Amino acid sequence: DTEVTQTPKHLVMGMTNKKSLKCEQHMGHRAMYWYKQKAKKPPELMFVYSYEKLSINESVPSRFSPECPNSSLLNLHLHALQPEDSALYLCASSQVDLGLAGHNEQFFGPGTRLTVL
Amino acid sequence: AQSVTQLGSHVSVSEGALVLLRCNYSSSVPPYLFWYVQYPNQGLQLLLKYTTGATLVKGINGFEAEFKKSETSFHLTKPSAHMSDAAEYFCAVSRGTNAGKSTFGDGTTLTVKP
Repeated sequence: DTEVTQTPKHLVMGMTNKKSLKCEQHMGHRAMYWYKQKAKKPPELMFVYSYEKLSINESVPSRFSPECPNSSLLNLHLHALQPEDSALYLCASSQVDLGLAGHNEQFFGPGTRLTVL
Repeated sequence: AQSVTQLGSHVSVSEGALVLLRCNYSSSVPPYLFWYVQYPNQGLQLLLKYTTGATLVKGINGFEAEFKKSETSFHLTKPSAHMSDAAEYFCAVSRGTNAGKSTFGDGTTLTVKP
């Protein structure tokens, strides 16, 4: 199974709502990522988890809260978002590169299209 | 620090023509280089990657790229464009250390004309 799944596909929420995005992979990857992508732009890294521990936070506002409950699952909890947070949110996973041949190609999910009203 | 520059935000070719998408990188250490493709409303899919070894890398869907250290380039080519190749293409560079940061270029939109 070389697939990363994301739910929901689309999400519309108000600025006072709390919602969560979910991501799942069964490739045995121990690194998982959240990206935000605006239209016609490259993905912007938000968070990286390595062995279920947060290893990179790219100064993301606290209204975004990641969680990695186990090695297969990654959540992104959303609270009090702003309209400018509307974007495609991509999850990805990869092997953790142990300094050998370089295995950290990332496998991306299809994304969640988020609209904040 | 590492960075990627994709020359040409839009490239248009005729069906059957050569596809050439340009990518130049900057890295203080030997880089790992990737090309990803993104179709509308989808995630990114890896086309090919260069880590070490052979500098001409073959990928999926007939694409290939050549790592040229002297030119700090990793251009993507395909001999004959197909309508299904129309998509957004991203070049990315990574230092490959642990689970880390890949730096993406701004992307190139490929249009294929019939």
